[in-house]
Amino acid sequence: GAVVSQHPSWVICKSGTSVKIECRSLDFQATTMFWYRQFPKQSLMLMATSNEGSKATYEQGVEKDKFLINHASLTLSTLTVTSAHPEDSSFYICSATKGGANTEAFFGQGTRLTVV
Amino acid sequence: QKEVEQNSGPLSVPEGAIASLNCTYSDRGSQSFFWYRQYSGKSPELIMFIYSNGDKEDGRFTAQLNKASQYVSLLIRDSQPSDSATYLCAVRYDYKLSFGAGTTVTVRA
Repeated sequence: GAVVSQHPSWVICKSGTSVKIECRSLDFQATTMFWYRQFPKQSLMLMATSNEGSKATYEQGVEKDKFLINHASLTLSTLTVTSAHPEDSSFYICSATKGGANTEAFFGQGTRLTVV
Repeated sequence: QKEVEQNSGPLSVPEGAIASLNCTYSDRGSQSFFWYRQYSGKSPELIMFIYSNGDKEDGRFTAQLNKASQYVSLLIRDSQPSDSATYLCAVRYDYKLSFGAGTTVTVRA
C-alpha cells in the first residue's frame, strides 16, 4: 500500500485562532487529495477535493473562506481552519489517490481538532 | 454527495461466527465499491474493494456486488474480537467517495 501522513494528530486551539493541518503522501505522487470531516458517531463527510496547482473544489455547504485548502505539490496538501469556533471541533481526515477512477484512496491518520 | 445506506447496528456476533454487513447505494453510475474498517478515534483502513458483479474473497473477508440491485455486502468469516469496529461502505462515483454511516460490529468472545 501507500502511506499518507497527516500532521498534527491532535490539536487544541482557542476560539478565533487558525489551525493548519498537513497531509503528505510519502511514497507516491497524489494527483488528487480529499479532505473529510467526521463528527462523533457519524460518517465521513467530504469537504473538498484538491488537485495540485489548482483551486480546491468544495462540497455544498462548506465555506471555502473558512476552510482554506492549498495543494502546492503532488505530495502535500494543507487545510487551514480559519477563525475556528467550538462547532468546528471534529475529526479531520485527508486521503490521497494516485489517480484513475478505480484506484483506492489512502487515508491519513486523522487530526482531532478541539476548539475551546 | 451520493446516498449510501448501511444498517447502523450494532451487530453483535459470537467469536467464530459469520458477520454479514449490507450496503445499498443510490447512483447506478457508481463505479467502484470499498469496505473500510474504522476503530474508534482512528482513520479508516481499507479492507477490500470490488468493481465487478459477483464475489471477491480476501482471507476471511468476502465482498459481494450486485449492480442491478445496487447492493454490496461484506462477509466476515470466523469473526475475531479484533474485528470489533465500525465498518464503512464507500462508493465511488466519478472521482469522489461517498461513505455510508457505518455498521458497528461487536464480536463476543
